[in-house]
Amino acid sequence: DTGVSQDPRHKITKRGQNVTFRCDPISEHNRLYWYRQTLGQGPEFLTYFQNEAQLEKSRLLSDRFSAERPKGSFSTLEIQRTEQGDSAMYLCASSPPKNNEQFFGPGTRLTVL
Amino acid sequence: QKEVEQNSGPLSVPEGAIASLNCTYSDRGSQSFFWYRQYSGKSPELIMSIYSNGDKEDGRFTAQLNKASQYVSLLIRDSQPSDSATYLCAVKPKGYQKVTFGTGTKLQVIP
Repeated sequence: DTGVSQDPRHKITKRGQNVTFRCDPISEHNRLYWYRQTLGQGPEFLTYFQNEAQLEKSRLLSDRFSAERPKGSFSTLEIQRTEQGDSAMYLCASSPPKNNEQFFGPGTRLTVL
Repeated sequence: QKEVEQNSGPLSVPEGAIASLNCTYSDRGSQSFFWYRQYSGKSPELIMSIYSNGDKEDGRFTAQLNKASQYVSLLIRDSQPSDSATYLCAVKPKGYQKVTFGTGTKLQVIP
């Protein structure tokens, strides 16, 4: 499978714990995006990387959230001190150079108890 | 006013009919427009992208864009039960990579 992969697919955690998600984009895709989706809503943009540079960041991304993309390959999204309101599907997408089409991974479903 | 608006549905059409899904957007500077299909519990899947006014056809799908009216639509011909899903309209402004999604329209194709 050469699509976007995400790990883990499901995560259950207790309020106050830290969690980290990983995204591996499609090979040769230099652009990577993180979104969050809650039930009945469309995906909400969180952040964008071009290669290793984080170029766009939503105001939704509070200081408890941080994302990295070392060496411009895979990316991680960390949520510190999780809250129940963080429960959502976290989606990663990637796109190739000079192309605006974004291809999504399967997502990581986070449940905060 | 929401940045991207869609009727949440459900939109019910009989099998074999044409399904028409509509979307309006508020940012006149928007440059790129996308339609995604999302099955329950799954991630969005790209169906079509459209960048200029007019129609773009791909198989049973036709995307239509009218920038003057800030309106984009998706037509699905010969609708099949497997087309039953939520269809998300997405819009990207010029100069930014952030894509804004609508809340989606749920389509039900009745056999």
